Amino acid sequence: EAGVAQSPRYKIIEKRQSVAFWCNPISGHATLYWYQQILGQGPKLLIQFQNNGVVDDSQLPKDRFSAERLKGVDSTLKIQPAKLEDSAVYLCASSSRSWVATGELFFGEGSRLTVL
Amino acid sequence: RKEVEQDPGPFNVPEGATVAFNCTYSNSASQSFFWYRQDCRKEPKLLMSVYSSGNEDGRFTAQLNRASQYISLLIRDSKLSDSATYLCVVNGNQFYFGTGTSLTVIP
Repeated sequence: EAGVAQSPRYKIIEKRQSVAFWCNPISGHATLYWYQQILGQGPKLLIQFQNNGVVDDSQLPKDRFSAERLKGVDSTLKIQPAKLEDSAVYLCASSSRSWVATGELFFGEGSRLTVL
Repeated sequence: RKEVEQDPGPFNVPEGATVAFNCTYSNSASQSFFWYRQDCRKEPKLLMSVYSSGNEDGRFTAQLNRASQYISLLIRDSKLSDSATYLCVVNGNQFYFGTGTSLTVIP
């Protein structure tokens, strides 16, 4: 079974530029998550989708971050304009159950963003 | 107050040692609990779930104390390959991750 795919693996941009990350979850997984992991910290949820609907985006900085999951499959996370503090690894995860359940999260390898 | 708090360590232990990690959570309504493992520059992976009665998986034992809102992970007979960061995860209405506890097992 193929895992969660993410691209690009690495991205270096200057502040105020824009960047987009792509994620393709495990086939059949209805729930998709985007996490931000800053060095030395645990992953922090940015947004959670159930199929193509948003379940939780309370911690997404909506003035600069946006995410979509068209057709309930793959997803894109965009940052525009980027700030220095956005330097982090952006992890996409998927699970086979709804957000109230206790299923395992399967993570992609992450997209490492450096903002200069 | 953070949803999940962990001692970040680092813990440096010799091979064969027993080491314990602790974690506390703030929301008493939390439903499920996990330990994830994250190797350096890799993604987190589920190590084990934590059940109210306590559970064991080989050299790893996890325990939950709902009254004290406290979770623990015990690793016996540490191996070099156990070196990683261990993340405490609590699921209420979303998955909350702790900061992680860094473990290095020394030959």
